[in-house]
Amino acid sequence: GQSLEQPSEVTAVEGAIVQINCTYQTSGFYGLSWYQQHDGGAPTFLSYNGLDGLEETGRFSSFLSRSDSYGYLLLQELQMKDSASYFCALNNAGNMLTFGGGTRLMVKP
Amino acid sequence: EAGVAQSPRYKIIEKRQSVAFWCNPISGHATLYWYQQILGQGPKLLIQFQNNGVVDDSQLPKDRFSAERLKGVDSTLKIQPAKLEDSAVYLCASSSSGGASSEQYFGPGTRLTVT
Repeated sequence: GQSLEQPSEVTAVEGAIVQINCTYQTSGFYGLSWYQQHDGGAPTFLSYNGLDGLEETGRFSSFLSRSDSYGYLLLQELQMKDSASYFCALNNAGNMLTFGGGTRLMVKP
Repeated sequence: EAGVAQSPRYKIIEKRQSVAFWCNPISGHATLYWYQQILGQGPKLLIQFQNNGVVDDSQLPKDRFSAERLKGVDSTLKIQPAKLEDSAVYLCASSSSGGASSEQYFGPGTRLTVT
């Protein structure tokens, strides 16, 4: 089977940079995705890493290292609206996703 | 472009009753997914459709859960009979294809409470 581990909670201040780590165990996968979910809301796609290295999308960057079974999401210039849960997910054949347990990010003023 | 639509948004039932959820994906999206999200956990895939065919239903508890996508567009997920542990948010998602990097678009979900 597949499993992913993320910290359950992270706290940071507005304007800061925060990194959310994700480690995984799997015998195979296509890539690593990140989704954001506000309380009571739907998950929304943030980024996808199919290859090792860094992908940058505005204030968000995501990184994957297959040799280390590790990835992270980097959020820069934190804003209050970034307070949400963040999920890493393994992309499998047919685009089936296996999600981690999520990291709750609290941004404080 | 309209997003993924789901109804109802909330449902409260007693254990052993039945319930059905409806999902209308984004127009033109061939792939549709149903997820179960228990409070405090990540979404768990229950079933994936490609057009009107099932791609994977390995995590669907088939003794009580069923799903269909008869015309390859909208879909229904049914639970019969419900158990207390079925209390969760049921999320529907769609993507334009089943390619490994295709972004999935999620609906607002149906929050089910089983008492």
